Amino acid sequence: ILNVEQSPQSLHVQEGDSTNFTCSFPSSNFYALHWYRWETAKSPEALFVMTLNGDEKKKGRISATLNTKEGYSYLYIKGSQPEDSATYLCASGGGADGLTFGKGTHLIIQP
Amino acid sequence: DVKVTQSSRYLVKRTGEKVFLECVQDMDHENMFWYRQDPGLGLRLIYFSYDVKMKEKGDIPEGYSVSREKKERFSLILESASTNQTSMYLCASSFGGRALTDTQYFGPGTRLTVL
Repeated sequence: ILNVEQSPQSLHVQEGDSTNFTCSFPSSNFYALHWYRWETAKSPEALFVMTLNGDEKKKGRISATLNTKEGYSYLYIKGSQPEDSATYLCASGGGADGLTFGKGTHLIIQP
Repeated sequence: DVKVTQSSRYLVKRTGEKVFLECVQDMDHENMFWYRQDPGLGLRLIYFSYDVKMKEKGDIPEGYSVSREKKERFSLILESASTNQTSMYLCASSFGGRALTDTQYFGPGTRLTVL
């Protein structure tokens, strides 16, 4: 079983501020790194899938980077808005064992 | 839009009952997955399937079985429900091939309580 770690566990950010959080994963036998956003009472929604070292992906105010050699990914949110409040999950996997998810970072944007 | 539906949002069952959780996807996806989510533990993979009639154990298969008779439907079965199976269950699907690089699309979840 892979060990995918996310930090911090929860985060309170003032509206308008930018923020970032981390996902770390075993760098050996790496295939892909996924980021999902999970809002309360909704389904987890895919944000990014990244496979290459140095990958950077962007979707509106949200972006992510990937370092497969050292085994970490950062998710950045620029100018946080209340609708960004959610739990952000990362997941990684190797071989045929399916994805392993981290425990998530619970982000609360305070007006 | 991909749609993944689960048969119930909330379910209450008694210890020892046989429980079926159904999941249906409408995008002809090859891969389907069952996860459970518990506070402080994150999503954990129970079983997954890469094709009809195929199944693979995930990280926590004990106490569960699955059935995939049709491509669009993946059922999770609790043969004899126990209180430690009280949890949120999420189904997901993805296109096929290298499942680890494909986006997974999730259903809304079933919150199961076993009394």
